[in-house]
Amino acid sequence: DAGVTQSPTHLIKTRGQQVTLRCSPKSGHDTVSWYQQALGQGPQFIFQYYEEEERQRGNFPDRFSGHQFPNYSSELNVNALLLGDSALYLCASSFGVNTEAFFGQGTRLTVV
Amino acid sequence: DQQVKQNSPSLSVQEGRISILNCDYTNSMFDYFLWYKKYPAEGPTFLISISSIKDKNEDGRFTVFLNKSAKHLSLHIVPSQPGDSAVYFCAAKDDYKLSFGAGTTVTVRA
Repeated sequence: DAGVTQSPTHLIKTRGQQVTLRCSPKSGHDTVSWYQQALGQGPQFIFQYYEEEERQRGNFPDRFSGHQFPNYSSELNVNALLLGDSALYLCASSFGVNTEAFFGQGTRLTVV
Repeated sequence: DQQVKQNSPSLSVQEGRISILNCDYTNSMFDYFLWYKKYPAEGPTFLISISSIKDKNEDGRFTVFLNKSAKHLSLHIVPSQPGDSAVYFCAAKDDYKLSFGAGTTVTVRA
């Protein structure tokens, strides 16, 4: 079982550009959540996708958008990048309610 | 608005002794609580969880205690081992999202 896989692992972008991050959930999982982790902080919830729909969203601007595909994989898109978007972006997958979420290794995004 | 707080940024413990990590929360709607461990350059790894209807859950060396009236939970690791050196995050679930604390860095001394 490959677990949750994310790509790319590292990325450097320029302010104002757009970025797409990708996530493949753990086998058997149908729900994907995205988190942003700034240095020295805990992960912050961006949004969750289930059945190809955004089910819940955290306090992030509309520049952050996502998508879930029929095979349950997911993308996170960030438009008009700001320096403050530099962070570790984590994808987590799960199945069912009140079960643990499994995390990928993350994508380290640096905006310069 | 930090709904989950881990007030101790670091903890140093001798190998073989008990590690106790604490977590406080403010949202009474949280119904499920989890602890994750994170090594550098890796994603968080699930350790143990507890439902809000219970007050204790044990799994090997790890035990989580929940005090709902105090809105407090703790993780006990007994005995502590060198491989336990990592950052530990407390997380709480409300609806579908997890809210995390800022983490506690545990260092296990030989």
